[in-house]
Amino acid sequence: DAGITQSPRYKITETGRQVTLMCHQTWSHSYMFWYRQDLGHGLRLIYYSAAADITDKGEVPDGYVVSRSKTENFPLTLESATRSQTSVYFCASRESGGRSYNEQFFGPGTRLTVL
Amino acid sequence: GQQLNQSPQSMFIQEGEDVSMNCTSSSIFNTWLWYKQDPGEGPVLLIALYKAGELTSNGRLTAQFGITRKDSFLNISASIPSDVGIYFCAGTLGGANSKLTFGKGITLSVRP
Repeated sequence: DAGITQSPRYKITETGRQVTLMCHQTWSHSYMFWYRQDLGHGLRLIYYSAAADITDKGEVPDGYVVSRSKTENFPLTLESATRSQTSVYFCASRESGGRSYNEQFFGPGTRLTVL
Repeated sequence: GQQLNQSPQSMFIQEGEDVSMNCTSSSIFNTWLWYKQDPGEGPVLLIALYKAGELTSNGRLTAQFGITRKDSFLNISASIPSDVGIYFCAGTLGGANSKLTFGKGITLSVRP
């Protein structure tokens, strides 16, 4: 049972390039989330999705695009990367019902460096 | 956006000691979660709390949901070197499209 995976684990890119970070979960969770983690800011929500084809903005969505054509995948795209987007990115998922539905489960993260 | 208060930022303890952490909020929550993050990895859920006053254990870890619903506590007993990491609290009111509010985390170091 792979759970939730992210790829790549490490990425170096240049300012202005497009980058896509992948997230895949095998639990069939309805909800998926993208966070960035920066020193001094903790975890901040970028976008989330309640189901396939349903996405919504989080706290820091500018410069990011998401899509969700399949329940198990939730890619995050930086259309034109900037240095301020250098960060560690985490994907998470959770169920939509049941007693434990608020519990989010995180992937291992992608460390992105924008030069 | 709102963040939960966790302090201090870092804690240093001796192996075998107990350590307590707390997390406070200006708003009430219906669920409190505690996560641990190892270096280079994602946060891992340790304990989930669903009811005010609830006390829940997971091995050497014990967490409590504060009666006011504005705070939560995590205790680690008889610490060992692998307890090193960052401990995050998170809270939510729940409901459709509910999101977690996180603390900035406490970095725990354990001296052998």
